[in-house]
Amino acid sequence: AQTVTQSQPEMSVQEAETVTLSCTYDTSESDYYLFWYKQPPSRQMILVIRQEAYKQQNATENRFSVNFQKAAKSFSLKISDSQLGDAAMYFCAYNTDKLIFGTGTRLQVFP
Amino acid sequence: EAGVAQSPRYKIIEKRQSVAFWCNPISGHATLYWYQQILGQGPKLLIQFQNNGVVDDSQLPKDRFSAERLKGVDSTLKIQPAKLEDSAVYLCASSSERTPAGELFFGEGSRLTVL
Repeated sequence: AQTVTQSQPEMSVQEAETVTLSCTYDTSESDYYLFWYKQPPSRQMILVIRQEAYKQQNATENRFSVNFQKAAKSFSLKISDSQLGDAAMYFCAYNTDKLIFGTGTRLQVFP
Repeated sequence: EAGVAQSPRYKIIEKRQSVAFWCNPISGHATLYWYQQILGQGPKLLIQFQNNGVVDDSQLPKDRFSAERLKGVDSTLKIQPAKLEDSAVYLCASSSERTPAGELFFGEGSRLTVL
């Protein structure tokens, strides 16, 4: 069975600094997609970044980038130049025929 | 473009009562999902519809939960009778064949508290 593990329940970062959120997953599939979703307090979950497993190049979206290590089944999210608005729950997710989420990491951003 | 609409935002009921949640997906999105998010956990898929047909309901507790999507647009999720462990946020999401696989658009959720 596919599982997604986020070992950091909470993380904190100073504004303008860089933070990395960790995610590992378990699968026997070779073709799949990985995602980071952001869930601000009392607001809807939105997609931050996605990675296709067949692509070796790490995805980047502005201040957000991933470090995808397929052999190690690792998919970390790096947030550069952190902003107060980045404070939220971040969920790592894996998709083949359905989307499976990890337990989330709560990110606090301090001024 | 309007987002995914859900109501009510909050609901408090006593155990053994019933409750219903409503979802209106983004216009044109054929696929609709209901997720259950218990505090401290990630969302768990309850049921997935493609138009008005069920694609996956393997994790839906069918003895108490039911869902329908008449006419392939709006959807209703019902719980009857509710248990304490049903306290959670119920998230509705939608997607279309034009959106990349796994990219879902979520509503703000309906928070259920069962006393």
